[in-house]
Amino acid sequence: AQSVTQLDSHVSVSEGTPVLLRCNYSSSYSPSLFWYVQHPNKGLQLLLKYTSAATLVKGINGFEAEFKKSETSFHLTKPSAHMSDAAEYFCVVSASGGSNYKLTFGKGTLLTVNP
Amino acid sequence: KAGVTQTPRYLIKTRGQQVTLSCSPISGHRSVSWYQQTPGQGLQFLFEYFSETQRNKGNFPGRFSGRQFSNSRSEMNVSTLELGDSALYLCASSPLRGTEAFFGQGTRLTVV
Repeated sequence: AQSVTQLDSHVSVSEGTPVLLRCNYSSSYSPSLFWYVQHPNKGLQLLLKYTSAATLVKGINGFEAEFKKSETSFHLTKPSAHMSDAAEYFCVVSASGGSNYKLTFGKGTLLTVNP
Repeated sequence: KAGVTQTPRYLIKTRGQQVTLSCSPISGHRSVSWYQQTPGQGLQFLFEYFSETQRNKGNFPGRFSGRQFSNSRSEMNVSTLELGDSALYLCASSPLRGTEAFFGQGTRLTVV
């Protein structure tokens, strides 16, 4: 079994300040972890992925995430928020190695960026 | 490379009707998955197809079905539509099972 908990349903930051979106996961297998972003009325875009290589993963648009096995966390960060970052963000786990492959999504975190 | 293409983008149907949604994956991708997104339930897994076989199914009633063709294109069908089926239906393709998924823009289904 696998699950994802996004600890904040809504995060509000000012433009130019750091962004932290928190995610905890559980998985019976070695997990693959992803962050996706969804802008209004759009599909989901892959920001970054962790697949058991380096624990610090860099993604697109200046985002990065750190895999911490001891804390079962995969938090998403960005040093400086931009207005265009305003969107909904989803943390996702995939049970790689299991026979029933599927992505399990967190409930999402809505990021608001204030000017 | 072209991305995942879903058609149609928008649909309005009446309760009791049926609907078929289409998904063309990225060229070379053999795994196609379907998800339902609603404000109340978030993103929920419907099913996954790989090499024309359904490999995994989510917790949805039998009114929801799908198939995959030899060219990896996939369709999903919903019969006897209910108001609660109104949602954004997202298709995703992956090069291999368990790898990152690439999503289409979705089909917005409204049941009236």
